[in-house]
Amino acid sequence: AQSVSQHNHHVILSEAASLELGCNYSYGGTVNLFWYVQYPGQHLQLLLKYFSGDPLVKGIKGFEAEFIKSKFSFNLRKPSVQWSDTAEYFCAVNSGAGSYQLTFGKGTKLSVIP
Amino acid sequence: SQTIHQWPATLVQPVGSPLSLECTVEGTSNPNLYWYRQAAGRGLQLLFYSVGIGQISSEVPQNLSASRPQDRQFILSSKKLLLSDSGFYLCAWQTGSRNTIYFGEGSWLTVV
Repeated sequence: AQSVSQHNHHVILSEAASLELGCNYSYGGTVNLFWYVQYPGQHLQLLLKYFSGDPLVKGIKGFEAEFIKSKFSFNLRKPSVQWSDTAEYFCAVNSGAGSYQLTFGKGTKLSVIP
Repeated sequence: SQTIHQWPATLVQPVGSPLSLECTVEGTSNPNLYWYRQAAGRGLQLLFYSVGIGQISSEVPQNLSASRPQDRQFILSSKKLLLSDSGFYLCAWQTGSRNTIYFGEGSWLTVV
């Protein structure tokens, strides 16, 4: 069964600091990869996704993620965080077409200090 | 555009009482529908998914059940709630082959 690991449970950064949230998965075949974000008091939203093609994908609000197949990783990055980025971030993996299960990591809580 | 709604948003229920959480999707037909639970410190866990009316697959054994009486309606139920059923429940939908899953607003369930 596939699994997803997010290395950091809670990250605290000052505004303008750079962000990188780690995500590793354990499935060896074709995968679809996602980052979801949940802002305080709001529902889960799609931040960005990777299906195929350019392994560097850009999402909303200046976020990007890089798929490195050899490392089974899909790390989320942002060069300069803002207070409004305070949220919980979930990495998720779906093992390609025909699979209905989206496996989530346990989430990383990001707190940005003004 | 497609929208998803689930209710109630918050619920406090005594142990042993029944549960019914409802989810509806608009703007799409024949979606795949999902119920997830988000427990503190444990991430998101898939509970049930449905690929069509009356078709329910359960991912984990538990005290809950799901039903899909209509194409765009998905219901999460329990006959007798346990304390361990407390958590944040998310309904989600998916359509087409792109596999992106979109989530509802969530329902907070506290069993007391």
